[in-house]
Amino acid sequence: AQSVTQLDSQVPVFEEAPVELRCNYSSSVSVYLFWYVQYPNQGLQLLLKYLSGSTLVKGINGFEAEFNKSQTSFHLRKPSVHISDTAEYFCAVSLTWNTGNQFYFGTGTSLTVIP
Amino acid sequence: DGGITQSPKYLFRKEGQNVTLSCEQNLNHDAMYWYRQDPGQGLRLIYYSQIVNDFQKGDIAEGYSVSREKKESFPLTVTSAQKNPTAFYLCASTGTGGQPQHFGDGTRLSIL
Repeated sequence: AQSVTQLDSQVPVFEEAPVELRCNYSSSVSVYLFWYVQYPNQGLQLLLKYLSGSTLVKGINGFEAEFNKSQTSFHLRKPSVHISDTAEYFCAVSLTWNTGNQFYFGTGTSLTVIP
Repeated sequence: DGGITQSPKYLFRKEGQNVTLSCEQNLNHDAMYWYRQDPGQGLRLIYYSQIVNDFQKGDIAEGYSVSREKKESFPLTVTSAQKNPTAFYLCASTGTGGQPQHFGDGTRLSIL
């Protein structure tokens, strides 16, 4: 069975401080990995993706994530957060079955940036 | 610009009423998905479709129905059998080869 675990449901952080949002997944096969951001009453917006190649991927808004296959993790980081980064963040994995692509989402991490 | 359009943004349902949420995409994606999101929770898959005229149940399909008559359209009907329909509904689509999902802006459904 596939699962995605976001270890922190809420993360408060002061403005201009660094932040790491943690994501672990379980899968016995190769996966594709994604981070999304959701602002209130909006859909999910893609921050970054890992399909293959370099394990460090850079995304929009200064975010980056590192794929660690041995630890089955895909943690999201930003060196200096802004007030505008306050939002819900979702980690997701995708697998390809004979029935098509299946996506599995974590339960989300609410990031609050404190002025 | 290509994208996914969900309508309406807000919808109210009376007891015993069926309501239909619209989802249209112009990304030329084969696969489309419907998710339900409740406060403080992640996304739960309702239905998905990999190709026109074919769709499969997700984890919480009871009380919902879909159709896929056209590649660009994947409407979701919330039937009266769904006893707790109040939620935020998200439609998504994706291409092939491990590409990410693209999401619409959602429809918030409430009970009158």
